Amino acid sequence: SQTIHQWPATLVQPVGSPLSLECTVEGTSNPNLYWYRQAAGRGLQLLFYSVGIGQISSEVPQNLSASRPQDRQFILSSKKLLLSDSGFYLCAWNLAVLDTQYFGPGTRLTVL
Amino acid sequence: AQSVTQPDIHITVSEGASLELRCNYSYGATPYLFWYVQSPGQGLQLLLKYFSGDTLVQGIKGFEAEFKRSQSSFNLRKPSVHWSDAAEYFCAVGSTSGTYKYIFGTGTRLKVLA
Repeated sequence: SQTIHQWPATLVQPVGSPLSLECTVEGTSNPNLYWYRQAAGRGLQLLFYSVGIGQISSEVPQNLSASRPQDRQFILSSKKLLLSDSGFYLCAWNLAVLDTQYFGPGTRLTVL
Repeated sequence: AQSVTQPDIHITVSEGASLELRCNYSYGATPYLFWYVQSPGQGLQLLLKYFSGDTLVQGIKGFEAEFKRSQSSFNLRKPSVHWSDAAEYFCAVGSTSGTYKYIFGTGTRLKVLA
């Protein structure tokens, strides 16, 4: 069966520090991968999606970036965090466009 | 532009009571519709989805939803709520506009009274 992992589960970082969040999927090949951010009291905002290794599409211009160095690995990064980057970050995958997306457990990021 | 509206931010019901969570969408073609549930501090879990066919969709945990094209709605229902149903519920529409994008509503937080 397929599983999706995210780490770390919780992260507290100072403003201006770098960020690296990792997401990996097991039990499937060539998934579509997604990064979402969920701010308090708001819905899910799609940040990035990837349909293959090295293929990244950005939905929202910001100081975050994403990379997909391996088929089942998706990384969210920042060189300098802002206070507004605080939130709950969710990774998701699916195999086909508009198919069910399966979500990871999330990373709670607090920027102080 | 495509959009999803969940007009109720918070809903409180008593255990055993019926539940209906509202979802309205704006979309130019036949939508792909989803309901997800999120327990506190957790990821999202799919409850049910509608792609085509029967407009009444059955999901997990005793939930169902009805697609009403004339009302642009996809409301989630459960006949008898359990305390474990307390969570946040998100409606989403899948975009066929050339991106792999889901558009999520802002969510409805459900509180269940014992």
